[in-house]
Amino acid sequence: EDKVVQSPLSLVVHEGDTVTLNCSYEVTNFRSLLWYKQEKKAPTFLFMLTSSGIEKKSGRLSSILDKKELFSILNITATQTGDSAIYLCAPWGDSSYKLIFGSGTRLLVRP
Amino acid sequence: DVKVTQSSRYLVKRTGEKVFLECVQDMDHENMFWYRQDPGLGLRLIYFSYDVKMKEKGDIPEGYSVSREKKERFSLILESASTNQTSMYLCASSSPGQGGSYEQYFGPGTRLTVT
Repeated sequence: EDKVVQSPLSLVVHEGDTVTLNCSYEVTNFRSLLWYKQEKKAPTFLFMLTSSGIEKKSGRLSSILDKKELFSILNITATQTGDSAIYLCAPWGDSSYKLIFGSGTRLLVRP
Repeated sequence: DVKVTQSSRYLVKRTGEKVFLECVQDMDHENMFWYRQDPGLGLRLIYFSYDVKMKEKGDIPEGYSVSREKKERFSLILESASTNQTSMYLCASSSPGQGGSYEQYFGPGTRLTVT
């Protein structure tokens, strides 16, 4: 059975801290993994990772995939209160249509 | 910009009522999805559709049905609402992009309360 585990479930940090969010997965015929950020409403796309060891960056956010150890991490440096959100990882596998969502990491950044 | 809209942001219904949740996307996407999101359980796929009039069950289809008569519109139907269907419902759409990205675009969600 396909499985996605995100850790930690929740995290409280102060502005300026660096955080690392983890996503481990077991997915049949893995193809790629997506990260989403969800604030008050709809999840918004952050990254798609397909190849191991290649870091994707967008401003203070970066992410990397390890297909051998079956995990991905999302790093956020110099956190800001606007980074407070739920971060979802979603690998997809043998079905062309389905993403398998983890339960998310709830991040709270205090001023 | 891709736009996915849902008919209601908040909805309150009584147990036993038939409930329709509508989703419309304007990017000519082939694939459309209905999820529910509950605390601690993440997003769980209810149904998805990869073409007009085509549908497939997701992980938790019981108590739900769907309809896709037109490419841009995907409806979720609760035949007889129950209190355990109180949840946030999210619609999404996708289409293979360059390199087959399959990124899903989400609507704003409908928070349904069944009393």
